[in-house]
Amino acid sequence: GQNIDQPTEMTATEGAIVQINCTYQTSGFNGLFWYQQHAGEAPTFLSYNVLDGLEEKGRFSSFLSRSKGYSYLLLKELQMKDSASYLCAVLDSNYQLIWGAGTKLIIKP
Amino acid sequence: GAVVSQHPSRVICKSGTSVKIECRSLDFQATTMFWYRQFPKKSLMLMATSNEGSKATYEQGVEKDKFLINHASLTLSTLTVTSAHPEDSSFYICSAPGGRDTEAFFGQGTRLTVV
Repeated sequence: GQNIDQPTEMTATEGAIVQINCTYQTSGFNGLFWYQQHAGEAPTFLSYNVLDGLEEKGRFSSFLSRSKGYSYLLLKELQMKDSASYLCAVLDSNYQLIWGAGTKLIIKP
Repeated sequence: GAVVSQHPSRVICKSGTSVKIECRSLDFQATTMFWYRQFPKKSLMLMATSNEGSKATYEQGVEKDKFLINHASLTLSTLTVTSAHPEDSSFYICSAPGGRDTEAFFGQGTRLTVV
């Protein structure tokens, strides 16, 4: 079956760095997405990786290793507004998004 | 980027009534729309895929007679929750697929509360 794993919850301090990991086992791979979702709102796009390596976009970076079925989202200089759930999703061979359960990130002052 | 508009954002209805949720693609044509349901502190659960001009494809365990999906045009897909019950209370989100190199485009979501 298809499976995406990410930690349920993480806590970090304002100004610090946090890494949210995602491992996946899917039927085919056409890219991996990270979304941010605040409570009661729809997800918003953060990043897309289809090739191995690190993609940097401001305070957020995303890494992919296809051979390991592994990705991480790195958030630097954490701000209180970064408190949210972070969803990992893989586009499978049918171009259907398979979603992880999400990681709730709690930022403390 | 592409915009998907979902309406209403919140709705409270009485048990036994039906509720229609609309999802519109504002600046592009969407032959496919996805409908998700999200429970508190849970990830998105795909309910069905709506296809313009044909019947929707429902995921296993989703009652097609209860969750009616219509994709009447290339810019509008609707989800109707029929004979709603309190257990149908949830957050419903639609999205249009982005394809290979583009993210999915989400509507704002609809918070349904059945009392």
